[in-house]
Amino acid sequence: AQSVSQHNHHVILSEAASLELGCNYSYGGTVNLFWYVQYPGQHLQLLLKYFSGDPLVKGIKGFEAEFIKSKFSFNLRKPSVQWSDTAEYFCAVNRLGGNNRLAFGKGNQVVVIP
Amino acid sequence: DTEVTQTPKHLVMGMTNKKSLKCEQHMGHRAMYWYKQKAKKPPELMFVYSYEKLSINESVPSRFSPECPNSSLLNLHLHALQPEDSALYLCASSQGSGGVNQPQHFGDGTRLSIL
Repeated sequence: AQSVSQHNHHVILSEAASLELGCNYSYGGTVNLFWYVQYPGQHLQLLLKYFSGDPLVKGIKGFEAEFIKSKFSFNLRKPSVQWSDTAEYFCAVNRLGGNNRLAFGKGNQVVVIP
Repeated sequence: DTEVTQTPKHLVMGMTNKKSLKCEQHMGHRAMYWYKQKAKKPPELMFVYSYEKLSINESVPSRFSPECPNSSLLNLHLHALQPEDSALYLCASSQGSGGVNQPQHFGDGTRLSIL
């Protein structure tokens, strides 16, 4: 079965702290990897994506993620968070040729304290 | 602002009512999706339409009936819903399905409450 794991569902940190959210998946073969963010009361927005090439991907709002194929991981990072980064973060994976069926992780609720 | 427009934003209905949720995109995307999202949970895929044909139905109860009148529109017809169907219903679209470079773009959702 397809599986995407995100740990530490609730993350609380202070402004200027560094953030790292883990994402692991359990598929073999070629995958497309995504991080989505959902700010309170808003729609899901694409933060960044990985399809191929440089495994270090830069996204919007200072976020980046690193694809490590050997670890089946796609961890999200931001060196210095702001209060406005308070949101739910979802990792999502789809398999090439899999009807673009996105499998989401359970999400990380991130709260940044001013 | 999202490029996927969903209406209405909020809907309250009784268990015997019939209502429809609407989704529209003008990005030329040929794949459209319905998801259900409960509070603090990830979206759960319900249906996928690819080139206006239903390609995935994730064993959704028949009280939910999708319809894709054309490549820009996606409807979700609701009838005889249950209280547990209360959730945020998200529509998404992507350029196609099955290939690379296919990020999904999400609408704001319709927050549905069943009385």
